[in-house]
Amino acid sequence: SAVISQKPSRDICQRGTSLTIQCQVDSQVTMMFWYRQQPGQSLTLIATANQGSEATYESGFVIDKFPISRPNLTFSTLTVSNMSPEDSSIYLCSVVELGPHGEQFFGPGTRLTVL
Amino acid sequence: ELKVEQNPLFLSMQEGKNYTIYCNYSTTSDRLYWYRQDPGKSLESLFVLLSNGAVKQEGRLMASLDTKARLSTLHITAAVHDLSATYFCAVVPLNAGGTSYGKLTFGQGTILTVHP
Repeated sequence: SAVISQKPSRDICQRGTSLTIQCQVDSQVTMMFWYRQQPGQSLTLIATANQGSEATYESGFVIDKFPISRPNLTFSTLTVSNMSPEDSSIYLCSVVELGPHGEQFFGPGTRLTVL
Repeated sequence: ELKVEQNPLFLSMQEGKNYTIYCNYSTTSDRLYWYRQDPGKSLESLFVLLSNGAVKQEGRLMASLDTKARLSTLHITAAVHDLSATYFCAVVPLNAGGTSYGKLTFGQGTILTVHP
């Protein structure tokens, strides 16, 4: 299975600043996604990180707030812009292994606290 | 809009007992996932269920899928303390023209606590 790493693992940020989260996969993957888990909640899909084109955002998420880059098949970044306390969440990178089983794996997550 | 509902949301069990977590979803899907999350940790993949009638087992956990009823179950047999965690089911909607790989809709999660 793919091994996913994220940086930073956690951060505490001030309101109005931005944070860029990195996701690195140990093998090339076609599909990479960013999810958010708000405190005590389930996970919600933010966007699909497309290699070579703009990310595809889900309803309620916009590029200006969550710009995403995907320069190659093993790496992506998610930026949380102009942060407010409501952005305090765990942000997780996820990849799908194509094939008969189609398992989907999640990175260790980045725990963000906005003061 | 796809909705995924789990019940119960909280489950307190005694060691050695059996119980079932239910996952209902509202639209057609061709795959369903079960994950485990320990406090402060990421998600661990437990099962991927790909077809109607699929049943998978790993240790004390067994998952099944009924696509006609849009229902999956996660059965816990003879619970032990190490199974204490939050369990999520997640569904990929089956869109016209193909599946939406990776675009999971999650249930609310079931917080399982196993007591001695």
